[in-house]
Amino acid sequence: EAGVTQFPSHSVIEKGQTVTLRCDPISGHDNLYWYRRVMGKEIKFLLHFVKESKQDESGMPNNRFLAERTGGTYSTLKVQPAELEDSGVYFCASNHPGTGYTFGSGTRLTVV
Amino acid sequence: RKEVEQDPGPFNVPEGATVAFNCTYSNSASQSFFWYRQDCRKEPKLLMSVYSSGNEDGRFTAQLNRASQYISLLIRDSKLSDSATYLCVVMREYGNKLVFGAGTILRVKS
Repeated sequence: EAGVTQFPSHSVIEKGQTVTLRCDPISGHDNLYWYRRVMGKEIKFLLHFVKESKQDESGMPNNRFLAERTGGTYSTLKVQPAELEDSGVYFCASNHPGTGYTFGSGTRLTVV
Repeated sequence: RKEVEQDPGPFNVPEGATVAFNCTYSNSASQSFFWYRQDCRKEPKLLMSVYSSGNEDGRFTAQLNRASQYISLLIRDSKLSDSATYLCVVMREYGNKLVFGAGTILRVKS
């Protein structure tokens, strides 16, 4: 079974630019989550999709972040415009209800 | 105050040692509890779930005390490969978001 795949693995962009992160969950997993770890801080929840619907987006920092999951398969997380404080590692995870989470290897975002 | 608190360490121990990590959580509505392991520049991986009755997986033993809102992880006979960051994680209700502690760094030395 393929795991959770994230792309790109690294991204370096300038402040004010736009970046789009992609997550392909494990096939058939209805639940998809985005988390973020900012340098020196703990991993924090951003949002949760159930299929194509946003179940909980309480962790999204502000309206510069837009997450989508059209068709209930892969998800994208767009940051526009990026700010310095958006730098960190963005993790995606997926699971079936009643099963444990599987995390992707993350996208390391650096805003300069 | 953070919802999940851990001693950041690092814990530097020799091979073969026994080491214990503790964690406290503040939200009494938390329902599920886990220890995750994270290697440098890698994703978190589930080490084990934690139950009130205590559970063991090989050299690893986890314990939950709901009354004290306290979670522990004991590693016996430490191996070099146990070196990692150990994350205490709670979930308020199944299927909902995970709340992570900042992690405890373990370094096992020969």
